[in-house]
Amino acid sequence: KAGVTQTPRYLIKTRGQQVTLSCSPISGHRSVSWYQQTPGQGLQFLFEYFSETQRNKGNFPGRFSGRQFSNSRSEMNVSTLELGDSALYLCASCHQSVGSNEQYFGPGTRLTVT
Amino acid sequence: AQTVTQSQPEMSVQEAETVTLSCTYDTSESDYYLFWYKQPPSRQMILVIRQEAYKQQNATENRFSVNFQKAAKSFSLKISDSQLGDAAMYFCAYRRRDSNYQLIWGAGTKLIIKP
Repeated sequence: KAGVTQTPRYLIKTRGQQVTLSCSPISGHRSVSWYQQTPGQGLQFLFEYFSETQRNKGNFPGRFSGRQFSNSRSEMNVSTLELGDSALYLCASCHQSVGSNEQYFGPGTRLTVT
Repeated sequence: AQTVTQSQPEMSVQEAETVTLSCTYDTSESDYYLFWYKQPPSRQMILVIRQEAYKQQNATENRFSVNFQKAAKSFSLKISDSQLGDAAMYFCAYRRRDSNYQLIWGAGTKLIIKP
């Protein structure tokens, strides 16, 4: 079974631009979560989607948004990029059934904002 | 709010020896999950081991085992017979046992293996 895939793997953007990152979960997984990883703040939860609905949201500004499609693929969007948005963005998928709660992570997208 | 603390930014161990990574957490919940994840330099986050809070027995996965002390809110990871491939960042994480799949993370411990 294929793992979680994220595209693109690397991205360089300029301040003020917007960016869209994509995540394809493991087949059969309906929950997709996004995390931001930076040296200063560590790993922080952005949001989680389940069956095309945002179920949980972390403490990030409204510039960060996401969505999930009917095939469970998810995208996150960051508008009006700031230098502080430079980070590794990790996506994780989960099957969500009784007793199954492991989150499987993708390789991440490294976003650099200049 | 739940918090996870890893007080060791970096640890080093000689190959084939045993090392223990520390993690403490704070929560008012009685039922939850605790995890140790490994992130090698290639960046792919990999689940090492998990512990369900209602289970008193400590989880074990091959060379990896945990010491779960629920009353003390402590969750340490022991790596036996350390191997060069164990070199990575290790993150302790907490999750409530409900529909909230948010993981709350510690700051991580960088594990160095000396050959």
